[in-house]
Amino acid sequence: KNEVEQSPQNLTAQEGEFITINCSYSVGISALHWLQQHPGGGIVSLFMLSSGKKKHGRLIATINIQEKHSSLHITASHPRDSAVYICAVRIRERAQKLVFGQGTRLTINP
Amino acid sequence: NAGVMQNPRHLVRRRGQEARLRCSPMKGHSHVYWYRQLPEEGLKFMVYLQKENIIDESGMPKERFSAEFPKEGPSILRIQQVVRGDSAAYFCASSLRPLTGDSNTEAFFGQGTRLTVV
Repeated sequence: KNEVEQSPQNLTAQEGEFITINCSYSVGISALHWLQQHPGGGIVSLFMLSSGKKKHGRLIATINIQEKHSSLHITASHPRDSAVYICAVRIRERAQKLVFGQGTRLTINP
Repeated sequence: NAGVMQNPRHLVRRRGQEARLRCSPMKGHSHVYWYRQLPEEGLKFMVYLQKENIIDESGMPKERFSAEFPKEGPSILRIQQVVRGDSAAYFCASSLRPLTGDSNTEAFFGQGTRLTVV
């Protein structure tokens, strides 16, 4: 079983819909990252969280340390949000090795 | 302040050739991490380097792969005698401080190098 699990693996929605991507992990962590990867493109860091909630524009990330769960929300989704969203965690005892989820492929149709 | 720069963006090598992938970290960053993304798979840690030192190479294949981060110049990931299974995207990230310490330290990623072995 992977230490980091994301759901769903694929998500297709219409422009304007509210999007939620989930990340669950099974180990103690010091921080969690949400990353965005466009097809053939590089990786952009969206958020780094160790507790609570962060907001940037239409993106919101939350984390519940007790439940070992994080969510990434996109409000008023747009076709340019289409990308792969990756959850990555820093495991406390080996934090230099980010451990990644498999990614969620999001497609927003106009 | 340029971000993490990787080159080349795309690299094609024939089986048996050598591949050299370069990563210039963000200005002032002395911690570099290499990750590999095999087709249809998630990213996996390969190696963590500080200037002139390999700190953790537990994710590196035992043979044909090596990494360095010299005092001057970029970090280099070197793959000797490439095979088809080495075809992947290789990403580099850098940080100002070690990720092992302060949980507020961010890692910044490059655009990646897509290696294709033919």
